[in-house]
Amino acid sequence: AQKVTQAQTEISVVEKEDVTLDCVYETRDTTYYLFWYKQPPSGELVFLIRRNSFDEQNEISGRYSWNFQKSTSSFNFTITASQVVDSAVYFCALSEASGGSNYKLTFGKGTLLTVNP
Amino acid sequence: GAVVSQHPSWVICKSGTSVKIECRSLDFQATTMFWYRQFPKQSLMLMATSNEGSKATYEQGVEKDKFLINHASLTLSTLTVTSAHPEDSSFYICSARGTLRGPQHFGDGTRLSIL
Repeated sequence: AQKVTQAQTEISVVEKEDVTLDCVYETRDTTYYLFWYKQPPSGELVFLIRRNSFDEQNEISGRYSWNFQKSTSSFNFTITASQVVDSAVYFCALSEASGGSNYKLTFGKGTLLTVNP
Repeated sequence: GAVVSQHPSWVICKSGTSVKIECRSLDFQATTMFWYRQFPKQSLMLMATSNEGSKATYEQGVEKDKFLINHASLTLSTLTVTSAHPEDSSFYICSARGTLRGPQHFGDGTRLSIL
């Protein structure tokens, strides 16, 4: 069975600090997808990134960057120069590609990030 | 692109009534829609997977007769909470996916409060 662990329940930083959100996953599949979603206080889930298991290249999008390491089953998310608007709950999720799974998402418990001015 | 609209965003109703929540994909055809439930400060728990034109597949522990799901078209799925009780109060979120390997795009969620 697949599992996603976000060990950090809450993180609090001061604006302009860099912050890394950890995500460790477990799966028996060799083909799978990893995701990060942002959930601001308003409740909606915002899709940030999808990464497939065969692509270990790190990705950067503005202040956001992701570090995917299959060797340690981790898919960490770093926000550079954090801003107050980054305050939200961030979820890491895993989708297996095995037959019959329908590519369902398994979410981690989320990390509440608070960026203070 | 990939906008999912969920309606209503907030519902307050009396115990025993039934509540219907709609989930629409506005600019793409959603072959699959998912329904999640989220309790305060907790993660999203998948309730059921809905493929257009077929019966929904419910996760273990989710009552099929309690949470009725209909996915009648490629752009609309509905969740009906029947005979709702206070313990059904929660945040319900739908998502829609256009292709099998594509990302799920989420609606804004519905806050359901049963008095």
